[in-house]
Amino acid sequence: NAGVTQTPKFQVLKTGQSMTLQCAQDMNHEYMSWYRQDPGMGLRLIHYSVGAGITDQGEVPNGYNVSRSTTEDFPLRLLSAAPSQTSVYFCASSYSITTKNIQYFGAGTRLSVL
Amino acid sequence: GENVEQHPSTLSVQEGDSAVIKCTYSDSASNYFPWYKQELGKGPQLIIDIRSNVGEKKDQRIAVTLNKTAKHFSLHITETQPEDSAVYFCAASQGTGTASKLTFGTGTRLQVTL
Repeated sequence: NAGVTQTPKFQVLKTGQSMTLQCAQDMNHEYMSWYRQDPGMGLRLIHYSVGAGITDQGEVPNGYNVSRSTTEDFPLRLLSAAPSQTSVYFCASSYSITTKNIQYFGAGTRLSVL
Repeated sequence: GENVEQHPSTLSVQEGDSAVIKCTYSDSASNYFPWYKQELGKGPQLIIDIRSNVGEKKDQRIAVTLNKTAKHFSLHITETQPEDSAVYFCAASQGTGTASKLTFGTGTRLQVTL
């Protein structure tokens, strides 16, 4: 069971370039989300999806787009990369048990924007 | 929205000693409080969680306590071992199921020295 798979693991971009961070899960989870992790700021929610065809903004959505065409995949797109988007990005998926939202994280993508 | 504060940001203990990490939350409607452990180069992983109708929960050397009145919760690790060295995140959420977004604290880097 692979869990949550993120690709690539590392990426260097120049300012203004675009790219897509891939995320796939094989647990048939309804909920998927993207976080960025910056020193001293913890994990901040970028976008999330509660099911195929449904997405919504999190705490820091500017500069990022998402789509959810299948249950398994939830790509994150940077249309015009900026140095402020240098960060470690984590994708997570979750299922719900009554009042719990137990999230399973991928190993992360480390992105540098020059 | 919810705001979660976490202290300390770094913590160094000797092997065998106890470690305590504290978090406070702002939204009295929050009802689920998980703790995640992030090892170097990996994504966060759930280690223990507590719901608002419970005051304390233990799992071997790890325990979490919740004070709803004061709106704070703590992670206690006893008999620390080198493999406990990691970054620990607290989080809070309200609502039910997959619609309940998690708000994370800023993280505590725990180092267990020999």
